[in-house]
Amino acid sequence: DSGVTQTPKHLITATGQRVTLRCSPRSGDLSVYWYQQSLDQGLQFLIQYYNGEERAKGNILERFSAQQFPDLHSELNLSSLELGDSALYFCASSVMSRGDTDTQYFGPGTRLTVL
Amino acid sequence: GQQLNQSPQSMFIQEGEDVSMNCTSSSIFNTWLWYKQDPGEGPVLLIALYKAGELTSNGRLTAQFGITRKDSFLNISASIPSDVGIYFCAGLSGYALNFGKGTSLLVTP
Repeated sequence: DSGVTQTPKHLITATGQRVTLRCSPRSGDLSVYWYQQSLDQGLQFLIQYYNGEERAKGNILERFSAQQFPDLHSELNLSSLELGDSALYFCASSVMSRGDTDTQYFGPGTRLTVL
Repeated sequence: GQQLNQSPQSMFIQEGEDVSMNCTSSSIFNTWLWYKQDPGEGPVLLIALYKAGELTSNGRLTAQFGITRKDSFLNISASIPSDVGIYFCAGLSGYALNFGKGTSLLVTP
């Protein structure tokens, strides 16, 4: 158990809908990262937040957004869903915002299926 | 993100055998990480490498950070059935982890 929690574990929805994925980081970690894992693209970095502020963006679509709240939990919002958005979404957390020795610990993921 | 080339793509071995997998990149990383992912679970950190040339062990696992900082390898000695899973290398560049495509390991008793 990494200490990172994610809810829900599974989510099934229809195209065009909007969903929210939730992540609670490990106790003491200030940074939250979101990753998408699909069969064709592998694990791709989406976005990072540190202590409530956006720090880095990766391959995140404009239809997707995230935020980190004062209690440090984070939510990833996916809107106007398409079939191709079906994937595993992982949250990871680390202590610092950046650092070449900053280790990221992953949650169990949310499996999103768009029908 | 930067592309990492991980090989082999899959391995099918017998219990007790040693395993070796590696990862190369066209870019330099200051940190290399190896994760294992079981089906339906998140990646679990196995070994973290922070210095070029560093050789680090974690039980039966040994990993090295290449001198050029563009490659890393992971060895598993005396494999057991619970070693089954997908192993990912990852290079840390700034804020984000760049992952390889993974090595799928199957171990038969």
